[in-house]
Amino acid sequence: DVKVTQSSRYLVKRTGEKVFLECVQDMDHENMFWYRQDPGLGLRLIYFSYDVKMKEKGDIPEGYSVSREKKERFSLILESASTNQTSMYLCASTRADRGGLNEKLFFGSGTQLSVL
Amino acid sequence: AQSVTQLGSHVSVSEGALVLLRCNYSSSVPPYLFWYVQYPNQGLQLLLKYTTGATLVKGINGFEAEFKKSETSFHLTKPSAHMSDAAEYFCAVSLWGYSSASKIIFGSGTRLSIRP
Repeated sequence: DVKVTQSSRYLVKRTGEKVFLECVQDMDHENMFWYRQDPGLGLRLIYFSYDVKMKEKGDIPEGYSVSREKKERFSLILESASTNQTSMYLCASTRADRGGLNEKLFFGSGTQLSVL
Repeated sequence: AQSVTQLGSHVSVSEGALVLLRCNYSSSVPPYLFWYVQYPNQGLQLLLKYTTGATLVKGINGFEAEFKKSETSFHLTKPSAHMSDAAEYFCAVSLWGYSSASKIIFGSGTRLSIRP
């Protein structure tokens, strides 16, 4: 079975802490994504990566950074967590087709982060 | 700016009635288009997708969607609603980013309720 694994299902952190969310995929996908899901706002793209060490900002990158040192692993970093970063964080991966556009996303099970 | 708009955050229909969930996108070139569904307390799963070719695409559970380039729309329909269709539905597009890599962005979602 293909898999996208997120390291934690639930996480509770304090304001100001540095937070690492890890994501690993076993499908050799080029492209990986971090989204946050909030009621009424859908999924909003934070960052995505299209190759090792290559990244691009999504729609809401402020307060976040990412790291992709190996193809299978994509990490999301909250440099100094704030209460407005309390959310469900979803990692996903996909293969780009020959034309370059992304195909179906494979999602991890999500990390519910609470910042107190 | 590139975007995805889902009209109606909540749609309620009677069991057996037509389901119509609306999605419009803005893009200078035709994107790939997707509908995902999220059942309560579950992850997202792909309902259907349009990449190239036939503009009417069929998905799982009797859903279908039609890509209309002139209207920049990709509305989701099902002829007869079932109680099990109650879920949140997300429209998504695969678009080119600034770095010539492609990204996937989502609409804000439509919650579908089914009345007995």
